[in-house]
Amino acid sequence: AQTVTQSQPEMSVQEAETVTLSCTYDTSESDYYLFWYKQPPSRQMILVIRQEAYKQQNATENRFSVNFQKAAKSFSLKISDSQLGDAAMYFCAYTSSGDKLTFGTGTRLAVRP
Amino acid sequence: DAGITQSPRHKVTETGTPVTLRCHQTENHRYMYWYRQDPGHGLRLIHYSYGVKDTDKGEVSDGYSVSRSKTEDFLLTLESATSSQTSVYFCAISGKGLGANQPQHFGDGTRLSIL
Repeated sequence: AQTVTQSQPEMSVQEAETVTLSCTYDTSESDYYLFWYKQPPSRQMILVIRQEAYKQQNATENRFSVNFQKAAKSFSLKISDSQLGDAAMYFCAYTSSGDKLTFGTGTRLAVRP
Repeated sequence: DAGITQSPRHKVTETGTPVTLRCHQTENHRYMYWYRQDPGHGLRLIHYSYGVKDTDKGEVSDGYSVSRSKTEDFLLTLESATSSQTSVYFCAISGKGLGANQPQHFGDGTRLSIL
């Protein structure tokens, strides 16, 4: 079974600085998709960024970018110019079949003003 | 934002009572999912549906049943609620099976407390 591991339960970053959240996964598939979701205190699950495994280029969405290392099965999220509104739980998720997501346990990010 | 409505948003009930949570979508998406979120576990899939009357089990399906009689509604039922089912429940939808082109979008969640 596929597993997703987020080894950092909590992280903290100074406003305007850069922070990287780690995610590793285990799979025997060659084609799959990876996601980062953000969950603010409002409890909404918000899609931040997604990566297709067959694409070598790392995905980028404004201040959010990923470092996708397929051989190492690593998918980290970098947040640049951190803002107070970035404070949230961040979940890494994986799917190969496309119909079921496997989530990591999450990383709580605090942003210091 | 994806048109997903979960009801109720909050519910408190007693052990042994039946509970039904509703997920309603206005996107006409084929796939619908129920997850539960617990501290230390992230989100775990309970059941999902890939069409009207077509459903399948997820990772933590014991004690839960689902039904989908029309495209827009996906119901999650706890036949006899137990305290271990106290959780936050999320519904999600997606347009088709491949995640990257049609990622899952989530409802706002239902907080269920079973005393």
